Amino acid sequence: SQTIHQWPATLVQPVGSPLSLECTVEGTSNPNLYWYRQAAGRGLQLLFYSIGIDQISSEVPQNLSASRPQDRQFILSSKKLLLSDSGFYLCAWRGQGRSPLHFGNGTRLTVT
Amino acid sequence: DAKTTQPPSMDCAEGRAANLPCNHSTISGNEYVYWYRQIHSQGPQYIIHGLKNNETNEMASLIITEDRKSSTLILPHATLRDTAVYYCIVRRDNTDKLIFGTGTRLQVFP
Repeated sequence: SQTIHQWPATLVQPVGSPLSLECTVEGTSNPNLYWYRQAAGRGLQLLFYSIGIDQISSEVPQNLSASRPQDRQFILSSKKLLLSDSGFYLCAWRGQGRSPLHFGNGTRLTVT
Repeated sequence: DAKTTQPPSMDCAEGRAANLPCNHSTISGNEYVYWYRQIHSQGPQYIIHGLKNNETNEMASLIITEDRKSSTLILPHATLRDTAVYYCIVRRDNTDKLIFGTGTRLQVFP
């Protein structure tokens, strides 16, 4: 069966520090991969999505970037975190066609 | 992708049916309706999806109006564990961009 791993679960980082969040999917090949962010009490904001290795679409201009170095690995990065980068970051994958999204357990990032 | 509109919050008594509406009046012919829910501090969970026929699975039923401009997610016997934020989204079959709205916060009370 397919599983999605996202880590770390929680992270506290100072302003100006770099960020790297990793997400991997097991049990499937060529998944579509997604990064979402959820601010406290708010809905889900799509940040990036990827349909293949090195094929990444950015939805919101911001302080973040994404990379997909391997088929089932999706990385969210920042060179210098801002206070506004705090939030709940969710990775998700789906198969082809009408497959639904499957989410990881999320990373709660607090920038201090 | 078509935009969806949902009420911000709803209450439901435990054991009763919870009917969560979603308006997607600009939906086009090849857009599917998907429902997810998010329990506090967890990743969203897929519930059900449909195109134009009503659908049912072990979690819920999805009723889509004949003109497809709205749908209703039905939890037939709500439990306290169904307290969550429920999201309705629409997606074209050939697009990968999935946009979530603000959802409906369902509170099931004893």
